[in-house]
Amino acid sequence: GQQVMQIPQYQHVQEGEDFTTYCNSSTTLSNIQWYKQRPGGHPVFLIQLVKSGEVKKQKRLTFQFGEAKKNSSLHITATQTTDVGTYFCAGLGTYKYIFGTGTRLKVLA
Amino acid sequence: KAGVTQTPRYLIKTRGQQVTLSCSPISGHRSVSWYQQTPGQGLQFLFEYFSETQRNKGNFPGRFSGRQFSNSRSEMNVSTLELGDSALYLCASSLVVTGAGNTIYFGEGSWLTVV
Repeated sequence: GQQVMQIPQYQHVQEGEDFTTYCNSSTTLSNIQWYKQRPGGHPVFLIQLVKSGEVKKQKRLTFQFGEAKKNSSLHITATQTTDVGTYFCAGLGTYKYIFGTGTRLKVLA
Repeated sequence: KAGVTQTPRYLIKTRGQQVTLSCSPISGHRSVSWYQQTPGQGLQFLFEYFSETQRNKGNFPGRFSGRQFSNSRSEMNVSTLELGDSALYLCASSLVVTGAGNTIYFGEGSWLTVV
């Protein structure tokens, strides 16, 4: 079946350092979405990528969709303590979203 | 506008019991999806309802069921609870059925503990 893997599973960074999480699908995706879940909270939608090779930016966050639409990345520049949480990608497969395993980010002040 | 509302937020059940969770989607949203989140398995899709019909189903046993009402509110039921059913159950709503690539909005979830 369709699978979406994310790496790394955990990442600890010093405040001010950059952070990147990668998402890889076993199949081509129609689109990909990114979510952030704070500790004890629920996933909150960040962004959706649809086009092959698409790059979108939200302040310090940069999202990229691969040319083959099978992988994606989220890069955070100069992390802040407010960036703490788990970042999930979700790929649209056949009529349902397949969520990645998530990357838990911890930012050390 | 109000977000996705899930009730109850927290509950404790005993093995063998059954539980019903409720979800009210964002006003105007007609699709409701349910997910199970556990530390070991991550976010797993249970099922999606649109216009009172189940449109898609994940790989869960028949003990997990759901329904949607004419006002788009949805319930999910888990019968004969097992310890492994302890999880955060998340409801997500969207304007139209998944497949159109629309954004899904999650509720705060229902924390179920089975003892």
